[in-house]
Amino acid sequence: EPEVTQTPSHQVTQMGQEVILRCVPISNHLYFYWYRQILGQKVEFLVSFYNNEISEKSEIFDDQFSVERPDGSNFTLKIRSTKLEDSAMYFCASSEWGQGAYEQYFGPGTRLTVT
Amino acid sequence: KQEVTQIPAALSVPEGENLVLNCSFTDSAIYNLQWFRQDPGKGLTSLLLIQSSQREQTSGRLNASLDKSSGRSTLYIAASQPGDSATYLCAVWNSGNTPLVFGKGTRLSVIA
Repeated sequence: EPEVTQTPSHQVTQMGQEVILRCVPISNHLYFYWYRQILGQKVEFLVSFYNNEISEKSEIFDDQFSVERPDGSNFTLKIRSTKLEDSAMYFCASSEWGQGAYEQYFGPGTRLTVT
Repeated sequence: KQEVTQIPAALSVPEGENLVLNCSFTDSAIYNLQWFRQDPGKGLTSLLLIQSSQREQTSGRLNASLDKSSGRSTLYIAASQPGDSATYLCAVWNSGNTPLVFGKGTRLSVIA
């Protein structure tokens, strides 16, 4: 069964460093998403991406964050200058289409630890 | 602003018991509601998706119902097993191109 994959599974970085989290969505899906979950808290939406551009973003997704689809398979989240409060589990998801009619499939997540 | 609440926060039951997990949402203008399972330190596994026009969905021992007008959904698990132990998350997709809004989840423990 097709699945969303994410790398790395765990990333440790120092405050102020740049990190890139990588995702490979399901191949025939057109909408891609990033969510994050701070330990013990709710899963929160960061950004959605369609047709090579951001379609929606949350207040969390400030200028420190960017997303890119550098090729036909990868979808990346970059954090330019990490802060301690960026420590969280980051989930990538994809769906065949948007508009809420289609199930979102989540990857296993990348645990980001900022020290 | 959509708020999703899940009650109870934690639940412990003996193996074989049938159980119900509750989810409520404040804005009834939703496109769909999705139930997920999350194992400790792991990703989210989609269990069931209910469209706003549907009343329920079933998958194996799981049955999810939706009462959109009252802003409620329930996830019914029949004949619970220790392998069902996990956190169950409810999420709604509002009208328009807005993202999933999640509840905090119910942590289920099924004791053998």
